Amino acid sequence: KQEVTQIPAALSVPEGENLVLNCSFTDSAIYNLQWFRQDPGKGLTSLLLIQSSQREQTSGRLNASLDKSSGRSTLYIAASQPGDSATYLCAVLTGANSKLTFGKGITLSVRP
Amino acid sequence: EAGVVQSPRYKIIEKKQPVAFWCNPISGHNTLYWYRQNLGQGPELLIRYENEEAVDDSQLPKDRFSAERLKGVDSTLKIQPAELGDSAVYLCASSLQGDTSTDTQYFGPGTRLTVL
Repeated sequence: KQEVTQIPAALSVPEGENLVLNCSFTDSAIYNLQWFRQDPGKGLTSLLLIQSSQREQTSGRLNASLDKSSGRSTLYIAASQPGDSATYLCAVLTGANSKLTFGKGITLSVRP
Repeated sequence: EAGVVQSPRYKIIEKKQPVAFWCNPISGHNTLYWYRQNLGQGPELLIRYENEEAVDDSQLPKDRFSAERLKGVDSTLKIQPAELGDSAVYLCASSLQGDTSTDTQYFGPGTRLTVL
């Protein structure tokens, strides 16, 4: 059974800091890995999708890497802003039924 | 283009009452998902539809939960009777389900259910 872990559960940083969010998963037989953002009371917004054959993806100030063999991914946020404050969830797509398994998320607070 | 639409956004009911949630996916998306998200947890899949067919309902508590996707577009998720432990956010998502390795799921805002 696939398990996705995100540690720590919460993170607080000052504005402008570069930061890294970590994600680990137990089954390396994945189709892809996705990072989502969730604002309070809202649904999930897809940030980046990394296919199993890829090593990283970039979008603006966000960069996500994937090391499938070690079961790890990182989301790098450059020059953090208060508007980046949200919960960031990592999810992997695996299995014959293409099931998306989520971590519990990391709640990020960027202080002005 | 409109995103995934869900209603109601909030629902408060007493235990043992029935409740239903509605979802309208993004136009043209063949695959529809219902997830349940408990407080402080990631979403967990309840059921996945490919057009009208439920292709994965292994996590759906079938004694009290039911779902349908008539005509392969809108979907309804029902709980009858509701229990205290059903309090959660119920999220609907949709995707094109073309190439699995690139398929992105688009989520609605969710329905927050509180069972008293």
